Amino acid sequence: EIVLTQSPATLSLSPGERATLSCRASQSVSSYLVWYQQKPGQAPRPLIYDASNRATGIPARFSGSGSGTDFTLTISSLEPEDFAVYYCQQRSNWPRTFGQGTKLEIK
Amino acid sequence: QVQLQESGPGLVKPSETLSLTCTVSGGSISTYSWTWIRQPPGKGLEWIGYIYYTGSTNYNPSLKSRVTMSLDTSKNQFSLKLSSVTAADTALYYCAREAAVFDYWGHGTLVTVSS
Repeated sequence: EIVLTQSPATLSLSPGERATLSCRASQSVSSYLVWYQQKPGQAPRPLIYDASNRATGIPARFSGSGSGTDFTLTISSLEPEDFAVYYCQQRSNWPRTFGQGTKLEIK
Repeated sequence: QVQLQESGPGLVKPSETLSLTCTVSGGSISTYSWTWIRQPPGKGLEWIGYIYYTGSTNYNPSLKSRVTMSLDTSKNQFSLKLSSVTAADTALYYCAREAAVFDYWGHGTLVTVSS
């Protein structure tokens, strides 16, 4: 099973700031890495697929990069609605696995 | 717009079988992979497994001995059974569609295992 480790566990920032979230895989997942956003009481929604492609309807302030074992989700300028929990997920191997999440909170 | 809705008992006794159904509307179940994912309260996401529209399945090895998935194309539904449940199976259970990503999700249904 591929283990995904996200850092930091919690990120405290202010609106307008830049957020950088990391996801590291225990073995290469090539570019088959997905980022999700989850708000309280809601199901996760996909933001970025295959490491760097924005999902339908996702604003341009969200971007993803990386390949192999190291990946980054960047939010260029935080909006109030961006404060949530973010998960990475690999779709390279079975079973599908998720990272433990990064909570992005308002400073 | 594809919509998914989970249904089933919210309370299951230890050692019994958890049974959930996901009803898909706005699209046919006869394509894609249909997935169950769970999230214990306050914790992260765990992939349980999927059933393909052909009926083939793939389960998480950690749960494989206890999981059975099925689908009913006539009702546009797919189902999850998890046997011999314990308190560790208490979670919010989501059904989702996988099309490269988990692009459509149900709202989730909370299942509590308790006597």
